[in-house]
Amino acid sequence: AQSVTQLDSHVSVSEGTPVLLRCNYSSSYSPSLFWYVQHPNKGLQLLLKYTSAATLVKGINGFEAEFKKSETSFHLTKPSAHMSDAAEYFCVVSGAGNNRKLIWGLGTSLAVNP
Amino acid sequence: DTGVSQDPRHKITKRGQNVTFRCDPISEHNRLYWYRQTLGQGPEFLTYFQNEAQLEKSRLLSDRFSAERPKGSFSTLEIQRTEQGDSAMYLCASTGQIPYEQYFGPGTRLTVT
Repeated sequence: AQSVTQLDSHVSVSEGTPVLLRCNYSSSYSPSLFWYVQHPNKGLQLLLKYTSAATLVKGINGFEAEFKKSETSFHLTKPSAHMSDAAEYFCVVSGAGNNRKLIWGLGTSLAVNP
Repeated sequence: DTGVSQDPRHKITKRGQNVTFRCDPISEHNRLYWYRQTLGQGPEFLTYFQNEAQLEKSRLLSDRFSAERPKGSFSTLEIQRTEQGDSAMYLCASTGQIPYEQYFGPGTRLTVT
């Protein structure tokens, strides 16, 4: 069965400093992995996706993630945090079979301090 | 706006009442998903449609829950005899040719008092 574990429930950074949100996955086959962001009172938005192509994936708003099979990790990074990055971030793995239901981590709340 | 829309955005109901939510997916998307999200948790899969066929239901979806997508376009999620534990955000997502790229609506927040 597929699962994801987000290693930090809360991360706090200062504006302009790097962001690292950690995610480990478990999958019995080559997974598709995603990061979604949820701003308060807004819908979920896809940040980036890994689907067995390049292991370093670039997303929107300067975010990127690296798929590391040996470490079963898919950590999300950004070189310099912006106040508008404050939100809830979810690491997600795609389920098996044709339905492609998404299996979600519990989320990491990112706070950006001025 | 060609995104996924959901109606209503908020619903407050008394325990025991029935509620129905609607989701309008992106028009050319043939797959539609319902998820439930409670505070501090990630979304949990409820059910999935391909066109009008409901292909999978989570065991989270008790017999008080029913979902339909009669013409393969919009979908409804009905909860009968609501309980306080049903209070959550109900999310709808749709996807087209790329099945893993799901687009989410803003959600319907249900509060059962």
